[in-house]
Amino acid sequence: NAGVTQTPKFQVLKTGQSMTLQCAQDMNHEYMSWYRQDPGMGLRLIHYSVGAGITDQGEVPNGYNVSRSTTEDFPLRLLSAAPSQTSVYFCASSYEGTSYEQYFGPGTRLTVT
Amino acid sequence: AQKVTQAQTEISVVEKEDVTLDCVYETRDTTYYLFWYKQPPSGELVFLIRRNSFDEQNEISGRYSWNFQKSTSSFNFTITASQVVDSAVYFCALSPISNFGNEKLTFGTGTRLTIIP
Repeated sequence: NAGVTQTPKFQVLKTGQSMTLQCAQDMNHEYMSWYRQDPGMGLRLIHYSVGAGITDQGEVPNGYNVSRSTTEDFPLRLLSAAPSQTSVYFCASSYEGTSYEQYFGPGTRLTVT
Repeated sequence: AQKVTQAQTEISVVEKEDVTLDCVYETRDTTYYLFWYKQPPSGELVFLIRRNSFDEQNEISGRYSWNFQKSTSSFNFTITASQVVDSAVYFCALSPISNFGNEKLTFGTGTRLTIIP
C-alpha cells in the first residue's frame, strides 16, 4: 500500500489563482480530512468526509472547497488563492478497523504571493 | 468546543535527561480520544499513541510513557533517557468519539523539543 499520497509537494501561486491539492489513499478508509499547519498554531481542520458523497466543514473552511466522489480521493480546491492561505496542507485518512488512527500524507507546502 | 493547550512552546534538554511534555485539554464530550503525534524535521506526522477516555491507565512504550489524568484534564508525555533522534515538534490532539470516528482532530500548538548532544 502507498498509504496516503498528496500532490504536489510544493506549489507557488499568485494571488487570485485557483488550484486543486490532490489527496488519495489506497487503504479503503472511510474517513478523510484536510488540515493546514501554520507556525505557532498547530494543525487546524479545514474540511472532512465520512464517506463518498459526504463532506462537512471543519474549523477553517473559508476559501476552500472539497468533494468526495470516490472512497480513494479527497481533493481540496482553492478557489481564489490569498496570501493568508500560505501554509502546509496535510491530508489524513482513518477507518474504524484501525481504531480510528489517522494516517497522514506527507504534506503540500503552498506559498501564495 | 474543544481545546488543547500545550503551554511549553520550546524545550531543550541535554541528551540522556528525562523530559515531560505537558498537554491540557478541554471538552464537553464525555467520551473522547487523546493522541500524541511527532513531527520530525522532515515534516511528516508520526502517530505515537491514542488513549480512550475510558482508560486512565498509564502507558509505557520503551522510553516513552504517557500519564492520563481525567481529573485534571491532562495527558502528559515523558521521554526517558532522551536521544538526539527525539528532537522534533510534538503535538497533542483530541477527538470526540462520534458515530463516524475521529475524523475531527483538534490539535495543540505543539512543543518543539531539542535534545542537545
